Amino acid sequence: GAGVSQSPSNKVTEKGKDVELRCDPISGHTALYWYRQSLGQGLEFLIYFQGNSAPDKSGLPSDRFSAERTGGSVSTLTIQRTQQEDSAVYLCASSPRMGSEQYFGPGTRLTVT
Amino acid sequence: GESVGLHLPTLSVQEGDNSIINCAYSNSASDYFIWYKQESGKGPQFIIDIRSNMDKRQGQRVTVLLNKTVKHLSLQIAATQPGDSAVYFCAENFAAGGTSYGKLTFGQGTILTVHP
Repeated sequence: GAGVSQSPSNKVTEKGKDVELRCDPISGHTALYWYRQSLGQGLEFLIYFQGNSAPDKSGLPSDRFSAERTGGSVSTLTIQRTQQEDSAVYLCASSPRMGSEQYFGPGTRLTVT
Repeated sequence: GESVGLHLPTLSVQEGDNSIINCAYSNSASDYFIWYKQESGKGPQFIIDIRSNMDKRQGQRVTVLLNKTVKHLSLQIAATQPGDSAVYFCAENFAAGGTSYGKLTFGQGTILTVHP
């Protein structure tokens, strides 16, 4: 079946601009996660959604970052007033339920110039 | 703070050899562990997982061992192939009060290189 998809695959933006990154999880998966991976580093948790519960936003690095998940499916991660340190690969994952295996999308490579 | 870390940042093996990738974790409340493989330009790919009530789990050519006494996790790959070359991450998920938290904490990764 179809895996997790993300768009765009690459995004280059100027410092100060806003960006939106999209994630389509595996159908039927109730949990959705966003992570950030800087070059040569491990993954850093940002936020996750589980069903209709309030999202866990504890990993968001600043109030410039926000995310929403509409209709329990597609999610959008928004970064406002982008900074160069926001440059990274943003990865989305989904899982059948919280606390189970997470399946990752290919990521969006964000470059802030 | 508590974290997941890897003993070896790089590992080079010959094709056909067995590979062992190690991981230390410090959060004693962790109840679920996953190994991921990440190839260049791709997202992490699930390999195998293990829950804290087990000490060993086997998959196809892979085995994960969990030693809760010393908080150590390892991934064994049998008959390593060039296609196994990638970065391998361990990740932990911890629970508190019987509730499992969804977010994973990842180690820095080990680069596995398999020479033909």
